[in-house]
Amino acid sequence: DVKVTQSSRYLVKRTGEKVFLECVQDMDHENMFWYRQDPGLGLRLIYFSYDVKMKEKGDIPEGYSVSREKKERFSLILESASTNQTSMYLCASTDTYEQYFGPGTRLTVT
Amino acid sequence: RKEVEQDPGPFNVPEGATVAFNCTYSNSASQSFFWYRQDCRKEPKLLMSVYSSGNEDGRFTAQLNRASQYISLLIRDSKLSDSATYLCVVISAGNMLTFGGGTRLMVKP
Repeated sequence: DVKVTQSSRYLVKRTGEKVFLECVQDMDHENMFWYRQDPGLGLRLIYFSYDVKMKEKGDIPEGYSVSREKKERFSLILESASTNQTSMYLCASTDTYEQYFGPGTRLTVT
Repeated sequence: RKEVEQDPGPFNVPEGATVAFNCTYSNSASQSFFWYRQDCRKEPKLLMSVYSSGNEDGRFTAQLNRASQYISLLIRDSKLSDSATYLCVVISAGNMLTFGGGTRLMVKP
């Protein structure tokens, strides 16, 4: 079974803090993705990576950055958290079209 | 206009009912289509692919209408356990995935 894990299920941070969200997959997948999910807006792609040290912007990259130093790990960074980044963050990995998602991190920025 | 649109629902149906959802997409060059299921407070999981000829998996039937640019999901003999949000996914050129906002289904006893 593919397993995608995320470092935290729930996170509360203050405005202006730097936030790291970690994602690890154990299936040697090339492709990894970060989404946020908000009511009424569905899943929106923030960044994705097709290889180590490679990253591409998705639909809503503003305010975020990513790091992929190892194949199994894809990190999402909020340089200076803002209240409009309060959301559910989902990581996914794939080698084909089927995306395997992690359990999600619910981030609240106060 | 959103690239991929779904009626958010909720669709409230009794057990045993047949229910259908549609998902419209705006990019006529879209190549592949999928339905995902997301249970409350859980991550999305692939339910089924949608082929041009249509495909069936037990009580679930997925169809594609390229001319009208929509895909559909039909669920027959609804079960309580079918209650979830159903997300359509469209893949366009360059393997870019776009998710719809999801349709919430609630099956009542």
